Parts: sequence; C-alpha cells; structure tokens
Amino acid sequence: SQTIHQWPATLVQPVGSPLSLECTVEGTSNPNLYWYRQAAGRGLQLLFYSVGIGQISSEVPQNLSASRPQDRQFILSSKKLLLSDSGFYLCAWNVPTGQDSSAFFGQGTRLTVV
Amino acid sequence: DQQVKQNSPSLSVQEGRISILNCDYTNSMFDYFLWYKKYPAEGPTFLISISSIKDKNEDGRFTVFLNKSAKHLSLHIVPSQPGDSAVYFCAASVNAGKSTFGDGTTLTVKP
Repeated sequence: SQTIHQWPATLVQPVGSPLSLECTVEGTSNPNLYWYRQAAGRGLQLLFYSVGIGQISSEVPQNLSASRPQDRQFILSSKKLLLSDSGFYLCAWNVPTGQDSSAFFGQGTRLTVV
Repeated sequence: DQQVKQNSPSLSVQEGRISILNCDYTNSMFDYFLWYKKYPAEGPTFLISISSIKDKNEDGRFTVFLNKSAKHLSLHIVPSQPGDSAVYFCAASVNAGKSTFGDGTTLTVKP
C-alpha cells in the first residue's frame, strides 16, 4: 500500500534561519508531488508541484523553494525564514488516472517562525 | 482571484439531520471536483468526488451534487454524526492536474 511520510511534525525556527522539510512517498512510482500551505483560518494554497525528478513548478512567488532529488522525495526549503512563513505545511501526492486527481496528504508540519 | 469559494466558514447541525456544504467555482475549465475532510493538526483525507459529466455521485451517507450551469456543487451528509465534525474542503481540477482548494467550511454536528 502507498504511504506518505512528512517530517518534522512541528518546528519552531527563528527569523532568518534556514528551513528544510522533507516528504517521501512509498508504494508508488512517478507520483505527482505537491507542497501546500494552510494559513490560519484559510484554505490550502498550492506552493509547488512536481511531475517528475527535477521538475518543479512554482505557483506563487515567495521566500521558499522546492526540490525533487529522487522520484519519491520532495523537499521544501528556505534560505532565510520570514515571520510570514509560519503556517501548516502539507505534502501530497497523486497519480492522475483518467480524470481522477484525488490526492493523499501527509500529516503536515506546523511551522512557527519567531 | 479565488477560483473555488466556500462562502460559509462554519455550519452547525443536529445529529441525525442533514448537513449541506456548498461550493462555487468560477473556472469553467474545471472538470473534476473533490471534497476532503480535515481534522485539526492532520492532513486532509479524500472523501468523495464527481466528474463534470455527472450531476450526482453517492457514497454511503455522502452525496455530491454538481450544477455546471450555476458552477456550484454541494456535499450532503445524511444522517450527520458527531464524528463528521471537521473542516471540509472543496477542490477542483482540470484534466487530472493540480487541485485548487476553497477556504473550507467547519462543520459541527451536535449530539
């Protein structure tokens, strides 16, 4: 069966420090991978998505970057965190078949920038 | 411009009654619509979906209705149970691509 792992679950980082969040998927090949952010009281904002190794699409300009060094690994990074980067970060994957684009999400990372 | 909108931030219903969650969209290219359920501090889980070629899809207590002319969809939960209390997100996609999410509706089912 397929599983998605995302870590850490919570993170408190000072402003200006770097960030690295990792996500791995097991049990599937060549998934589409996504990073979303949920701000307090808001919906899920798509940050990055990837359809293959080294292929990253950015949805919104921001202080973050993403990389996909392996087929089932997706990393969210920042060189210098801002207060506005605080939020709940979610990794997700799907394998679109036909029209079905339903995604499977990780447990999320609560990032607090102080 | 928000392409998927859930205009009701919250909804409260009595156990056993019907819950109706609404969602509107603006992009006529959307051809697949999904509902996710999310508990606090967890990732969303897929609940039910509907293709644009249909106007209704049912799965147990959950039914999704799609009105393409009005660019509106709704999720019906009958009967509602306290365990259904969660945030419900509506999402839409084009040709099985990335999904665009609404802001969510918090459903509270009172015993």
